Amino acid sequence: KAGVTQTPRYLIKTRGQQVTLSCSPISGHRSVSWYQQTPGQGLQFLFEYFSETQRNKGNFPGRFSGRQFSNSRSEMNVSTLELGDSALYLCASSLAGTGTDTQYFGPGTRLTVL
Amino acid sequence: KQEVTQIPAALSVPEGENLVLNCSFTDSAIYNLQWFRQDPGKGLTSLLLIQSSQREQTSGRLNASLDKSSGRSTLYIAASQPGDSATYLCAVYDSNYQLIWGAGTKLIIKP
Repeated sequence: KAGVTQTPRYLIKTRGQQVTLSCSPISGHRSVSWYQQTPGQGLQFLFEYFSETQRNKGNFPGRFSGRQFSNSRSEMNVSTLELGDSALYLCASSLAGTGTDTQYFGPGTRLTVL
Repeated sequence: KQEVTQIPAALSVPEGENLVLNCSFTDSAIYNLQWFRQDPGKGLTSLLLIQSSQREQTSGRLNASLDKSSGRSTLYIAASQPGDSATYLCAVYDSNYQLIWGAGTKLIIKP
């Protein structure tokens, strides 16, 4: 079974631009979560989608948004990029996103904002 | 607000030693606790998931314990190998259905 895939793997943008990251979950998984990882703040939860609905959201500004499609693939969008948005963005999928599920992570997208 | 702490931040041991990594959390209202490893430049690999009703889980040379009442978990690695070198992260799945992460322990196993 194929794992979680994320595209692109690396991205360089300038301040003020916007960016869209993509995540394809493991087949059959309906929950997709997004995380931001930085050296200073560590791993932080962005949001979680289940069956095309945002079910949970972390403490990030409205510039960070996402969506999920009917095939469970998910995209994350960051508008008006800031230098502090430079990070590794990880997505994870699980069967149903409940407390009994293991989350499987993709390799991440490394975003650099100049 | 749930907070997760991992001690030590870094650990270097000779190959073959048994070792323990520690994780503590402030709110015992959790659904599960998970241990992950992260290799440089790569994503996260799930190692063990302990449900809130369980006390421990084992996988190969790894054993994780959970004491909800004291807010602690340990990851025991037996007979360490150089391939075990990585950053180990623990995360709790809390009552808000979010994974709250520790900062990780960077483990180096010296050949």
